[in-house]
Amino acid sequence: ETGVTQTPRHLVMGMTNKKSLKCEQHLGHNAMYWYKQSAKKPLELMFVYNFKEQTENNSVPSRFSPECPNSSHLFLHLHTLQPEDSALYLCASSQDRAASSYEQYFGPGTRLTVT
Amino acid sequence: GQNIDQPTEMTATEGAIVQINCTYQTSGFNGLFWYQQHAGEAPTFLSYNVLDGLEEKGRFSSFLSRSKGYSYLLLKELQMKDSASYLCAVSGNTGGFKTIFGAGTRLFVKA
Repeated sequence: ETGVTQTPRHLVMGMTNKKSLKCEQHLGHNAMYWYKQSAKKPLELMFVYNFKEQTENNSVPSRFSPECPNSSHLFLHLHTLQPEDSALYLCASSQDRAASSYEQYFGPGTRLTVT
Repeated sequence: GQNIDQPTEMTATEGAIVQINCTYQTSGFNGLFWYQQHAGEAPTFLSYNVLDGLEEKGRFSSFLSRSKGYSYLLLKELQMKDSASYLCAVSGNTGGFKTIFGAGTRLFVKA
């Protein structure tokens, strides 16, 4: 238990569906992250929020839409996904983003399958 | 840009010592992390090095040489539960501070 929770743990969706992934951290951190992890590939940073402000978008397709209503919650809204978007989506948090010298605490991930 | 290389897989025997290497290229180096990730689970933080030298933490130690762009994770007295992927991650300043992850080294510990 890292103090970061994600729901749902597993999600199967069709290409025309709309769904949302939820992440919550109970650590009092100010930075939150979305990562995509595909088999045998490095963790790919998707979005970063620091003090609720989006500070990074790593050229992520617009079918992925993040939302950070407060420092404890992070959402990833999904619509019209492609089969290649099937992956493990990990949420993480850290004390803040200022110098990237803080370790990140990861949630258990959402295993997404797009059919 | 930033780049990280680490071996894809390693196998070692229970009770032995194993060294997992990581080489990296980055601008504005701001530290190197090692994470452990068991299959189907989230990565968990193991160590952070920002200065040259060896940091020891129980059975795990991490070494850094900034001039060589090189780090290693040393695992002693291997246990079966150490079978996992070990991720090297580097924090650098490439138009803003960013931490990028290597693809990970899958370690198999055999009896």
